[in-house]
Amino acid sequence: DAGVTQSPTHLIKTRGQQVTLRCSPKSGHDTVSWYQQALGQGPQFIFQYYEEEERQRGNFPDRFSGHQFPNYSSELNVNALLLGDSALYLCASSDPGQGGRANVLTFGAGSRLTVL
Amino acid sequence: AQSVTQPDIHITVSEGASLELRCNYSYGATPYLFWYVQSPGQGLQLLLKYFSGDTLVQGIKGFEAEFKRSQSSFNLRKPSVHWSDAAEYFCLGQGAGSYQLTFGKGTKLSVIP
Repeated sequence: DAGVTQSPTHLIKTRGQQVTLRCSPKSGHDTVSWYQQALGQGPQFIFQYYEEEERQRGNFPDRFSGHQFPNYSSELNVNALLLGDSALYLCASSDPGQGGRANVLTFGAGSRLTVL
Repeated sequence: AQSVTQPDIHITVSEGASLELRCNYSYGATPYLFWYVQSPGQGLQLLLKYFSGDTLVQGIKGFEAEFKRSQSSFNLRKPSVHWSDAAEYFCLGQGAGSYQLTFGKGTKLSVIP
């Protein structure tokens, strides 16, 4: 059973560019969340997608946007990249049927973005 | 504001010794609580979770955690640490009415052979 898959695993961009990261959720999961993990820090919540809509958003600027497709896969887009956007971007999927409202997350290995 | 605090940034223990990693939470009501482990080059893996009920929760790899409402704590324990337990451990909380999981800053565990 494939878990959460993310692509690309590594990428390098320059300031001002735009980037798209992709995520396929675990089979049977319909909810996707995105997190940013800066070096040496705990992951920070960016947003969560459910039924192709952004259900909740963390404290990130509008430069960060996303999309969920009918097959539940998701993309994270970041525009006008800044040096501070360099981080590991984690995708996690969950099945809202587990424990009611509780999010029991299955994480992917992440996409490491370096902004020069 | 809702938050999760892990007071210890780095802990070193000898192999075979017992382990306790601390986690404190600040939420208006009892949150859902989780512990995850992140090993180098690997994704975050769920160790255990607490939703309600029995305050002592058993997880994978011999870990357990105890929810203490009076202390707003959810500490992770293991009676005997193995060298393969060296990793970073994160405590997470999810508040009522929210879909957001908030991470603590993590505790890095080193194990001395």
